[in-house]
Amino acid sequence: GIQVEQSPPDLILQEGANSTLRCNFSDSVNNLQWFHQNPWGQLINLFYIPSGTKQNGRLSATTVATERYSLLYISSSQTTDSGVYFCAVPMIKAAGNKLTFGGGTRVLVKP
Amino acid sequence: GAVVSQHPSWVICKSGTSVKIECRSLDFQATTMFWYRQFPKQSLMLMATSNEGSKATYEQGVEKDKFLINHASLTLSTLTVTSAHPEDSSFYICSARRGAQPQHFGDGTRLSIL
Repeated sequence: GIQVEQSPPDLILQEGANSTLRCNFSDSVNNLQWFHQNPWGQLINLFYIPSGTKQNGRLSATTVATERYSLLYISSSQTTDSGVYFCAVPMIKAAGNKLTFGGGTRVLVKP
Repeated sequence: GAVVSQHPSWVICKSGTSVKIECRSLDFQATTMFWYRQFPKQSLMLMATSNEGSKATYEQGVEKDKFLINHASLTLSTLTVTSAHPEDSSFYICSARRGAQPQHFGDGTRLSIL
C-alpha cells in the first residue's frame, strides 16, 4: 500500500516562531488532508488540498502532487498550536477511499 | 456543517463486558463510515469501513468477531467491542463521508478495560 512519511517527528517551538512540516507519499494521490489532533484527542480538519496552495489564518499548505509531497506552514506559532499534525492520503484504488495516515509531527509551542 | 458526533467520549468497564460506541453524522447523510484505533503516541490505524446497509470491510489483522460494526442508517454506525480485555484499551475514532467528500471525524472514545 501507499506509504506516508512525515518529518520531523517532533518539533519544539518558541511562541511566535514559524515552522514547516513535511509529508511525503509514495504514490500518486488525488487528494490530501492535513489534520491537527489537540491534546484532548480531537482531530480537526485543517486542509483538504489535492494540489496547489491554501491558506487559513496563520496556517497554509502546499501540495506538489507530481513530486509527491505536501508542506504545512505554521506562522507566528501560539501555544494553542501544540498537538500532533497528521497528513493523510486516500488509496485511490481502494473501495471507499480509505485514508492512510502518516506517523504525525508532534509539536510543542512553549510560551 | 459536516458534524460527526461520537458517544461516549470516555468509558471504563470490567474485563469480559461488551462496549458499544456510536458514531452519528448530524447534518449530512454518510454513505461511508470508518473506524480507527489509536494507541498512545501513535498514528491512526484504520480498522474497518462500513457502508450503509451492507457488511463492514475489515482491515487485515482486525478481528471481525471482536469488533462488531453495524451501519444501519445513513447517519449512524456503531462499533461494539465484544468480551473486552485490557489489551483492547485504546482511543477509538470514527469518521464519516458523503460520496467523494472529505472524511469528517468524531471526537473519539477513550476506552479503558480494567
